[in-house]
Amino acid sequence: NAGVTQTPKFRILKIGQSMTLQCTQDMNHNYMYWYRQDPGMGLKLIYYSVGAGITDKGEVPNGYNVSRSTTEDFPLRLELAAPSQTSVYFCASSYQDTGDSSYEQYFGPGTRLTVT
Amino acid sequence: RKEVEQDPGPFNVPEGATVAFNCTYSNSASQSFFWYRQDCRKEPKLLMSVYSSGNEDGRFTAQLNRASQYISLLIRDSKLSDSATYLCVVNQFINTGGFKTIFGAGTRLFVKA
Repeated sequence: NAGVTQTPKFRILKIGQSMTLQCTQDMNHNYMYWYRQDPGMGLKLIYYSVGAGITDKGEVPNGYNVSRSTTEDFPLRLELAAPSQTSVYFCASSYQDTGDSSYEQYFGPGTRLTVT
Repeated sequence: RKEVEQDPGPFNVPEGATVAFNCTYSNSASQSFFWYRQDCRKEPKLLMSVYSSGNEDGRFTAQLNRASQYISLLIRDSKLSDSATYLCVVNQFINTGGFKTIFGAGTRLFVKA
């Protein structure tokens, strides 16, 4: 199992450019998440998905979009990049069962994005 | 008040020391509890789940106090390799039938030779 994979590892964008951060998991997890982590700070949830075709906003969704067409893939789209979106982006996945909250999240290695 | 609060540290301890971190959570509907470890410039990884009866994994002991709404992590005989940020994580049931995961901001630990 590769677990959760993310591409690219690093990216520099100019202000106003767009890009898609890719995330794939091979554990057949139903839940997937996107977080951002600013330097020295905690994780902030951007979007999450409870299954293919279903997505919902997290704490900081503005400036981002997601889609979940398959169980495995959960890409994050940045439109009109701004310097405030300079951050490390982590994708994660987990298996959630009704009534059981004991499952951990598995994280990808992250994408380091700089917007200048 | 934050839903999950941790002392950000940093905790600077010598090798071999015992160090303890606490984490408080505000929602009594919280159901599951975890400690994650995050190394510098790396992704968070599960260190251990926290069970109501407390649990131990080698040098690491986690405890849960539901009445006071806090969890703790004790590290004995600290190693240089224990230097990392420790994240307190809580799963809460929500009224849609699912649950949400809340990450604390983390406690930084530096173990010195």
